[in-house]
Amino acid sequence: DVKVTQSSRYLVKRTGEKVFLECVQDMDHENMFWYRQDPGLGLRLIYFSYDVKMKEKGDIPEGYSVSREKKERFSLILESASTNQTSMYLCASSLQGWEQYFGPGTRLTVT
Amino acid sequence: AQSVTQLDSQVPVFEEAPVELRCNYSSSVSVYLFWYVQYPNQGLQLLLKYLSGSTLVKGINGFEAEFNKSQTSFHLRKPSVHISDTAEYFCAVIVSSNTGKLIFGQGTTLQVKP
Repeated sequence: DVKVTQSSRYLVKRTGEKVFLECVQDMDHENMFWYRQDPGLGLRLIYFSYDVKMKEKGDIPEGYSVSREKKERFSLILESASTNQTSMYLCASSLQGWEQYFGPGTRLTVT
Repeated sequence: AQSVTQLDSQVPVFEEAPVELRCNYSSSVSVYLFWYVQYPNQGLQLLLKYLSGSTLVKGINGFEAEFNKSQTSFHLRKPSVHISDTAEYFCAVIVSSNTGKLIFGQGTTLQVKP
């Protein structure tokens, strides 16, 4: 079975802090994705990566950056956390063109 | 441009009753469609997918969906629901078959009552 793990299930940070969310997949997938999920808005794509060191902006990249130094690991970085970034963050991975497999999510609260 | 609309934000239903969750899409590329389920405090899990072939797709947990090209719909159905089916359901369409990038609908909360 494909396994996608995220570094934390729950995280509380203060406004202005730098926040790292880590995602690791164990199935050698080329593609990895970061989403945020908010009530009534569904899932919105922040960034995705289709290869090591390659990344593309999604629909809502402002305030976020990403890093993919190794194929199995995709990190989401909040350079200076703000309260409007309080959300559920979901990581996913996929083989080229196939379904995405999701991690359990990280619920981030910024106070 | 691709888009997905889930027509109901909440669907309450009694246990053992049938249910249909509606999804309409628009796509200018090859149509690959997915339904995902999210149980409370968990990530998304794939229920079923349509890539090609038979328009009636069977998934896990007794769910099925029918791809209707003329109506641009991909509705999810189950003939008899259980309390354990209470969850949020997301319909998604692929934007790029190269990158696997998806667009998701807003989600439908299925509330199964005893």
